[in-house]
Amino acid sequence: AQSVTQLGSHVSVSEGALVLLRCNYSSSVPPYLFWYVQYPNQGLQLLLKYTSAATLVKGINGFEAEFKKSETSFHLTKPSAHMSDAAEYFCAVRGTGFQKLVFGTGTRLLVSP
Amino acid sequence: GAGVSQTPSNKVTEKGKYVELRCDPISGHTALYWYRQSLGQGPEFLIYFQGTGAADDSGLPNDRFFAVRPEGSVSTLKIQRTERGDSAVYLCASSLLAGGSDTQYFGPGTRLTVL
Repeated sequence: AQSVTQLGSHVSVSEGALVLLRCNYSSSVPPYLFWYVQYPNQGLQLLLKYTSAATLVKGINGFEAEFKKSETSFHLTKPSAHMSDAAEYFCAVRGTGFQKLVFGTGTRLLVSP
Repeated sequence: GAGVSQTPSNKVTEKGKYVELRCDPISGHTALYWYRQSLGQGPEFLIYFQGTGAADDSGLPNDRFFAVRPEGSVSTLKIQRTERGDSAVYLCASSLLAGGSDTQYFGPGTRLTVL
């Protein structure tokens, strides 16, 4: 079975500050990991994914995430927040041999001027 | 190219009524997924199609929920005898293949409200 825990339902940062959104996973098989972003009244958009090719993954809009097997983590970071980054972010896991994505409960990122 | 589309975008119905939600996947994608997103929660898996067949329907909450994909493209999620607890956003996703690292592309969702 697979599961994802996202620490912090809300994260507030100032524009220009570092963004750190936390994700810890549990998987009985080697995982594939994903970060999606959801803007209000829109569908989910893929930010980046871990496919075992490299532990540091770079995505769109300046986001990146690092897979740490020893910590079972896949935290999402961005060096400098923009106002346009304000949205809901979801971490998801898919176990090898499984088709469905298992999502966390999401973290709402708030960016203040 | 065109992304995943879902119709209607909003559906308001009364308790006990029957509803159908439609999903048009990206052309050429063989895998199609339905998820349900309740307020303040992440999406939860309902059912997965590979081609025309439902390969995994383990997420369907009960037998009031049913989905079809008769020609391996468009899919319809059907809910009978709707209940207020069915109110949620229903998301559809498609992927070129199934499993592994293949990306699931999501539609904008259908917001279902059961009064």
